[in-house]
Amino acid sequence: EPEVTQTPSHQVTQMGQEVILRCVPISNHLYFYWYRQILGQKVEFLVSFYNNEISEKSEIFDDQFSVERPDGSNFTLKIRSTKLEDSAMYFCASGTGGRETQYFGPGTRLLVL
Amino acid sequence: AQKVTQAQTEISVVEKEDVTLDCVYETRDTTYYLFWYKQPPSGELVFLIRRNSFDEQNEISGRYSWNFQKSTSSFNFTITASQVVDSAVYFCALSLFTSGTYKYIFGTGTRLKVLA
Repeated sequence: EPEVTQTPSHQVTQMGQEVILRCVPISNHLYFYWYRQILGQKVEFLVSFYNNEISEKSEIFDDQFSVERPDGSNFTLKIRSTKLEDSAMYFCASGTGGRETQYFGPGTRLLVL
Repeated sequence: AQKVTQAQTEISVVEKEDVTLDCVYETRDTTYYLFWYKQPPSGELVFLIRRNSFDEQNEISGRYSWNFQKSTSSFNFTITASQVVDSAVYFCALSLFTSGTYKYIFGTGTRLKVLA
């Protein structure tokens, strides 16, 4: 069964450094998403992406964040200058666009020191 | 407001007990989807069920069952004869249509501890 994959599974970085989180969505999906979960808290929507542009972004998704689909398979989330409060689990998801289920990747656990 | 409320922060039960996890939602939409996800200690989100707003039939899958009541805006989840492997955080989510796409609004989750 096709699945969403994410790399790396864990990343430790120093405050102020740039990080890129990578996702490979399910191949026939057209809609892509990033969600964030701070430890012990709920999962929060960050951004949705369709047709090579952002459809919607949350208040969390400020100028430090960007997303890109650099080729036909990858979908990336870049944090330009990480802050301590960016430490969280980041989930990528993909879907075909309707109300149907979004398929989540296993997450990347980011720790900013 | 469009939101999902899971009032139970943590529940502990003894193995083989039945347990119900509550989910109450608010939405302006007349058509919407509701979901339950399981998050084991390893951290991934495991899809359990999707229910659309037009389908109020209750569903049973093995030891899991779901009770969707539109009149009370609730979508509760029951585990029958709980097992230690059921220990996890369970999230209820609402799918909202916005800006041409759908996004999930998650509840705060209920941590279930099943004791041997």
